[in-house]
Amino acid sequence: DGGITQSPKYLFRKEGQNVTLSCEQNLNHDAMYWYRQDPGQGLRLIYYSQIVNDFQKGDIAEGYSVSREKKESFPLTVTSAQKNPTAFYLCASSIDTRALGNTIYFGEGSWLTVV
Amino acid sequence: KQEVTQIPAALSVPEGENLVLNCSFTDSAIYNLQWFRQDPGKGLTSLLLIQSSQREQTSGRLNASLDKSSGRSTLYIAASQPGDSATYLCAGISNFGNEKLTFGTGTRLTIIP
Repeated sequence: DGGITQSPKYLFRKEGQNVTLSCEQNLNHDAMYWYRQDPGQGLRLIYYSQIVNDFQKGDIAEGYSVSREKKESFPLTVTSAQKNPTAFYLCASSIDTRALGNTIYFGEGSWLTVV
Repeated sequence: KQEVTQIPAALSVPEGENLVLNCSFTDSAIYNLQWFRQDPGKGLTSLLLIQSSQREQTSGRLNASLDKSSGRSTLYIAASQPGDSATYLCAGISNFGNEKLTFGTGTRLTIIP
């Protein structure tokens, strides 16, 4: 089945550690996104990528990094510079970023907790 | 900058009732608006996408409308069922600027059997 796979589902990070969340899609979509969801705040855009080897900062990029070496993969690294990383992280994809009549598809999410 | 608001934050209705969820946006130059469903601890599932040239879209018991002049969209759910219990989020893209989705904070819907 086509879709977006995020892993791991649950991840615990110690203070000062970097962690990487995986996102893979087999929908042949050009555009991929990472969102962060906190209670009562809706989804906020961290980074997005329109095409391989290109990515742009979203609204809350500080403390995060991404790469887009392959069309199907868009991993997110939460660095030690991110002071409040505990959240639910959602990866998404669409045919292109303009979403001109294009639905955006989401993965099942990853829970990150700082311990 | 586009801002999207959903009120109320939570809603409970008895099974079988028809209900309306509200979504307000500040930028009338909206390109399209989508409604999503999110179950607890899960990702989002797209329900309906309305282009700016359309006034409504229907899928089964769901009907979404878009009124750009008033800055409002509504999601109508007919004959509600317990399985409809979830959080419903709307998100819009503006015509100008970065063309990225701006999400509302969602309405948590509970259907009481």
